[in-house]
Amino acid sequence: DAGVIQSPRHEVTEMGQEVTLRCKPISGHNSLFWYRQTMMRGLELLIYFNNNVPIDDSGMPEDRFSAKMPNASFSTLKIQPSEPRDSAVYFCASSLKGTGGYEQYFGPGTRLTVT
Amino acid sequence: AQSVTQLDSHVSVSEGTPVLLRCNYSSSYSPSLFWYVQHPNKGLQLLLKYTSAATLVKGINGFEAEFKKSETSFHLTKPSAHMSDAAEYFCVVSGPGGYNKLIFGAGTRLAVHP
Repeated sequence: DAGVIQSPRHEVTEMGQEVTLRCKPISGHNSLFWYRQTMMRGLELLIYFNNNVPIDDSGMPEDRFSAKMPNASFSTLKIQPSEPRDSAVYFCASSLKGTGGYEQYFGPGTRLTVT
Repeated sequence: AQSVTQLDSHVSVSEGTPVLLRCNYSSSYSPSLFWYVQHPNKGLQLLLKYTSAATLVKGINGFEAEFKKSETSFHLTKPSAHMSDAAEYFCVVSGPGGYNKLIFGAGTRLAVHP
């Protein structure tokens, strides 16, 4: 299995620009999670989907952030407009909801730098 | 509510000596518990998980953890540290609600010295 795939791995953009991060979950998994990791705030859950439906977006910092999951094999996290404080590593993770533990499998992350 | 506390933000050991990373949890029901490892500039990797079967759980790379309900602890151990074990370790508890949301600890940074 290829694991969770994220792209791009690195993104450098100027303040005010739109940024789109992409994620392909593990085939067969039915839950997908977006996290943000910074030194100051650690690992934060932004939003998660179950069967392509957003379940909890309470972690999305503000309206500039949006996430979609049009099908079981693809999700995007969009920031528009981007700000320097959005600089962080963004992780996507997927999981198979069912019995027995709910472990999540993480992608390698996208390191976003907003200048 | 579910929560997890990692008792040490930094742990430093010498190569070849035992590793102990401490974790206490709080849960209103029988939880699932996990340890994840994150090497520098990498994603998080699952080390091991506890799901109400055996209380002593063995994971990858020689790590193991013991679930102690009476102490609400889930400490991670390894008999002999290797330089490649230097990383950040996260203790994680399953969240409420029937959905597979996870609650992460703040992390423990493990340094291994020659």
